[in-house]
Amino acid sequence: DARVTQTPRHKVTEMGQEVTMRCQPILGHNTVFWYRQTMMQGLELLAYFRNRAPLDDSGMPKDRFSAEMPDATLATLKIQPSEPRDSAVYFCASGLRGLTDTQYFGPGTRLTVL
Amino acid sequence: AQKITQTQPGMFVQEKEAVTLDCTYDTSDPSYGLFWYKQPSSGEMIFLIYQGSYDQQNATEGRYSLNFQKARKSANLVISASQLGDSAMYFCAMSLTGAGSYQLTFGKGTKLSVIP
Repeated sequence: DARVTQTPRHKVTEMGQEVTMRCQPILGHNTVFWYRQTMMQGLELLAYFRNRAPLDDSGMPKDRFSAEMPDATLATLKIQPSEPRDSAVYFCASGLRGLTDTQYFGPGTRLTVL
Repeated sequence: AQKITQTQPGMFVQEKEAVTLDCTYDTSDPSYGLFWYKQPSSGEMIFLIYQGSYDQQNATEGRYSLNFQKARKSANLVISASQLGDSAMYFCAMSLTGAGSYQLTFGKGTKLSVIP
C-alpha cells in the first residue's frame, strides 16, 4: 500500500529555532507539493516540485522558508528562524503528472512554535 | 485564478441517509480536474473522487458520486447510505490539467456530522 510519509508527525519548538520537515513521496511519483493548513487561511500551497526541480514557491515566505528535493525519495521544508505564526499543519502531497492528476497526501506535520 | 466555494460550513445527516455537499468553482481554463478530499478528526487528507472537465459521465467511487454540472460550474459530492465514520471535514478542490501548474486550490470545507 503506497503512501506518502512525513516526519515528524508533531513538533513543538521555541521561536527562533530551526525546523526541518521531511517527506517521502510515493515511489514513482514525479511531483511533490507542500501545503500548509491553518484555521484562518485554510489549505494553501507553499511549494511545488516536478522531477525534483522547484517550479513554484511563490506561497512561501522567502526570508525564512526553504524547500528542497535532494533526491527523488526525499523532500524537505525548512523554517529558519521559526515564528509563532508558523504554527500550522504542514502537508506533503505527491502525484504523477501526465498519468493522473490526483495528489495523495501524507499525514501531515503539526508544528507548534511557542 | 481559480476559486472554489463551499457554502455549507456544517451539515447534519441521519445515519443511512444520503447527503449532498455543495461545491461551485470558477476558472476560465477549459481543462481542469475537480477533487473531493475527506479530513477526519485525525487530520489526514484522504482522496475520495476525481472528475475531469472533459469527462462525459459523473464519477462514482463506491458510496461517493460527483454530480458534475459543467454549465453551472458545480461539482457536488453525494454520499449515499451515510455511516458514522463519514463524520469529517470535506474539501472540494480543483487543479488545472493543461500545461501549467496543477497545484490544488481548495474550498473552505464542509463539516459533516452523521447522527445515529
